[in-house]
Amino acid sequence: QQPVQSPQAVILREGEDAVINCSSSKALYSVHWYRQKHGEAPVFLMILLKGGEQKGHEKISASFNEKKQQSSLYLTASQLSYSGTYFCGTERVGAAGNKLTFGGGTRVLVKP
Amino acid sequence: DVKVTQSSRYLVKRTGEKVFLECVQDMDHENMFWYRQDPGLGLRLIYFSYDVKMKEKGDIPEGYSVSREKKERFSLILESASTNQTSMYLCASSFLRSGRQNRKKPYNEQFFGPGTRLTVL
Repeated sequence: QQPVQSPQAVILREGEDAVINCSSSKALYSVHWYRQKHGEAPVFLMILLKGGEQKGHEKISASFNEKKQQSSLYLTASQLSYSGTYFCGTERVGAAGNKLTFGGGTRVLVKP
Repeated sequence: DVKVTQSSRYLVKRTGEKVFLECVQDMDHENMFWYRQDPGLGLRLIYFSYDVKMKEKGDIPEGYSVSREKKERFSLILESASTNQTSMYLCASSFLRSGRQNRKKPYNEQFFGPGTRLTVL
């Protein structure tokens, strides 16, 4: 079952902040974040493994609330280079092995 | 520099044709993955492999098969292409998690190839 990402799209001015949310209806082992620029392959940003854990990549940080089964990605003081589609991947433990499922993506456009 | 390459960037096939998509990685990764990407649906896992000759079904394996005869190469096969298989296909690879985590927990950082845009007419 795919995690739900919100919003589906966001337009920012350079320097503005944004938050992308990723929610799952199932208990999570970890959350992964990737960014895909137009016409390019997705690129790994970070994995969050523990409840309440926060990580950062440049001025992009994320949190993982294990109890709420959700993660948020924070784009702080956005730069033009932050434009792209952000995907969260939620990893769940299963009897047959763990499974990673990606959300539908959030399109981010940063304008000058 | 890590690299995942895919045999074609664009491919046009006819309904009923057998289609092979090739993926090669040069990072000695144990895990390899095939995804399809459609607007609004994100990345959906078709198959993955955590070792040579091993394969596991993903979320949407119907109509596809895979082959992994060598560690660096993972092939996706459409036995009889249909128009609903028109999509962007992405290959990825990753290291197996180390330590006590076993082969069924493969999800480290994945490195993606550039993708193959397949059109089935």
